[in-house]
Amino acid sequence: DQQVKQNSPSLSVQEGRISILNCDYTNSMFDYFLWYKKYPAEGPTFLISISSIKDKNEDGRFTVFLNKSAKHLSLHIVPSQPGDSAVYFCAASGLSSGANSKLTFGKGITLSVRP
Amino acid sequence: NAGVTQTPKFRILKIGQSMTLQCTQDMNHNYMYWYRQDPGMGLKLIYYSVGAGITDKGEVPNGYNVSRSTTEDFPLRLELAAPSQTSVYFCASSPSRAPGNTIYFGEGSWLTVV
Repeated sequence: DQQVKQNSPSLSVQEGRISILNCDYTNSMFDYFLWYKKYPAEGPTFLISISSIKDKNEDGRFTVFLNKSAKHLSLHIVPSQPGDSAVYFCAASGLSSGANSKLTFGKGITLSVRP
Repeated sequence: NAGVTQTPKFRILKIGQSMTLQCTQDMNHNYMYWYRQDPGMGLKLIYYSVGAGITDKGEVPNGYNVSRSTTEDFPLRLELAAPSQTSVYFCASSPSRAPGNTIYFGEGSWLTVV
């Protein structure tokens, strides 16, 4: 039973354009969401997060949007750069379970940014 | 700035063998974790620890054991290796459980059981 779903396994965009990576969740107890980025042969690295009390969080070229009613979040990268090519994991947690001890990850989306 | 260090990077095991994946962090983090990532899948939590002497099961603990005798070290023991344990293993740490504290991952250990 996948509680965090990243239904598109891959995405290819042109350099300079916008990349939109989607994530859906089913557990209504989730109230904190994170995006991690992973290059081949490396561990995941934290990218950006959002609490359920917000609907948007921005950090430079990266913006995460949260739609609680739809149980949907998305990561926008503008403008996309070739160095953004990586696997992006969506993760979620609930305060009641201890945020970091019970992170639930999606399967990941492979983003390719074409020069 | 070492962060989270895992060894070995690669290992091939025969069915029934045992081994220990080592993990150490130099950030004085209380929380440590072991995840596994199977091909095309997300990361699944195996075990975690909230401090020295305290460990707890995650989502997929069967076939594994852990210990936490110091703040820095969190080894993962595989007993009687099985092909289903072929995976990439990530150790991670975080300063606390509060939201907003991110998890820092090691580079991963590739394990193949044949």
